[in-house]
Amino acid sequence: ETGVTQSPTHLIKTRGQQVTLRCSSQSGHNTVSWYQQALGQGPQFIFQYYREEENGRGNFPPRFSGLQFPNYSSELNVNALELDDSALYLCASSLRGSTEAFFGQGTRLTVV
Amino acid sequence: GQQLNQSPQSMFIQEGEDVSMNCTSSSIFNTWLWYKQEPGEGPVLLIALYKAGELTSNGRLTAQFGITRKDSFLNISASIPSDVGIYFCAGQPSPQGGSEKLVFGKGTKLTVNP
Repeated sequence: ETGVTQSPTHLIKTRGQQVTLRCSSQSGHNTVSWYQQALGQGPQFIFQYYREEENGRGNFPPRFSGLQFPNYSSELNVNALELDDSALYLCASSLRGSTEAFFGQGTRLTVV
Repeated sequence: GQQLNQSPQSMFIQEGEDVSMNCTSSSIFNTWLWYKQEPGEGPVLLIALYKAGELTSNGRLTAQFGITRKDSFLNISASIPSDVGIYFCAGQPSPQGGSEKLVFGKGTKLTVNP
């Protein structure tokens, strides 16, 4: 067990709605990254947060946004949900400067 | 953008057999990592590699960072039923671009028959 926890574990939303996913980092880790994993694919980098600021972003539109809090926990917000947003959303925590990322169990989002 | 080509896509083996899978890229990577993912779970880090040519073991698992920095392989010796899962390679591209983002392959699905 990595110590990274995500909530909720499953979620069903309607197209056009907004969703917020939450992540608690492993103790001692100061960096949080979010990944999207479509069925049958590897995880794709959405963005990373360090010191409460976005620190790198993948090829995702601005309707994907995030927050990091002083206790290093994080949120992923997705606005105007589309059917293609259905995926497993993974949070990973790490120490700044380290590539060893430790993942939570993920949130399975279904958009109908 | 950077892409990782992971092969094979799937493997069906008998318990006790050795397994080999690999990952290649047209770009250079600073770090290679191997993860295992089981159904309903997030990826679990197995091995991390930091230097070209590095060979690292973790129990029955052995992984190597290719000399060209464009490839890596993972071997599993004497497979057991609990090795079942999807194995992903992941790399940190060079240059980093300011974040420690990881690029993942599409995974190798391993099935072990008892």
